[in-house]
Amino acid sequence: DAGITQSPRYKITETGRQVTLMCHQTWSHSYMFWYRQDLGHGLRLIYYSAAADITDKGEVPDGYVVSRSKTENFPLTLESATRSQTSVYFCASSDGRQGYQPQHFGDGTRLSIL
Amino acid sequence: RKEVEQDPGPFNVPEGATVAFNCTYSNSASQSFFWYRQDCRKEPKLLMSVYSSGNEDGRFTAQLNRASQYISLLIRDSKLSDSATYLCVVTYSNSGYALNFGKGTSLLVTP
Repeated sequence: DAGITQSPRYKITETGRQVTLMCHQTWSHSYMFWYRQDLGHGLRLIYYSAAADITDKGEVPDGYVVSRSKTENFPLTLESATRSQTSVYFCASSDGRQGYQPQHFGDGTRLSIL
Repeated sequence: RKEVEQDPGPFNVPEGATVAFNCTYSNSASQSFFWYRQDCRKEPKLLMSVYSSGNEDGRFTAQLNRASQYISLLIRDSKLSDSATYLCVVTYSNSGYALNFGKGTSLLVTP
């Protein structure tokens, strides 16, 4: 079925480890986004991508790296995980440059850093 | 100061009640407006877009006042299944139309 999938759904790791969260969409949407959700902050944008090989920082990019070699994939890497990066991570995609198109979200990855 | 402000609630209402949520945004360059719904920390799902002329979808009515930078959502005849967190969302053209979320308003509809 078409859609947007994230993996893993749950991840526990230790501080200092590298972690990669995967996001895959089958709609061929141009735009993809990564958000994190924390109590007291709501959802905040980490990085976004307008097309393959085009990425840009969002509100909270520090400690994260993204890439977009293919339109359908947008992995998010924590190069050296810290406890403050414990969060729920959502990937989203949308089509259309004018912002009128809503975004579709994956199920999220619950990441705990010990 | 967060760019999108919502009353966090919780709003506890009986079934059948009418409830209204308000939202203000600070960036006058806001491009698009939405209400999303989120259940128990699951993924946000689009409830409805918000248009300048106001729009209705069944029991839900959304209003936008650009001059006052104010968005509202009205839910009529509340159902138990309406219990969720409602997220006010605006987009800006200078960030790839990424969504800027309010912190959400919690609604609990009781029997």
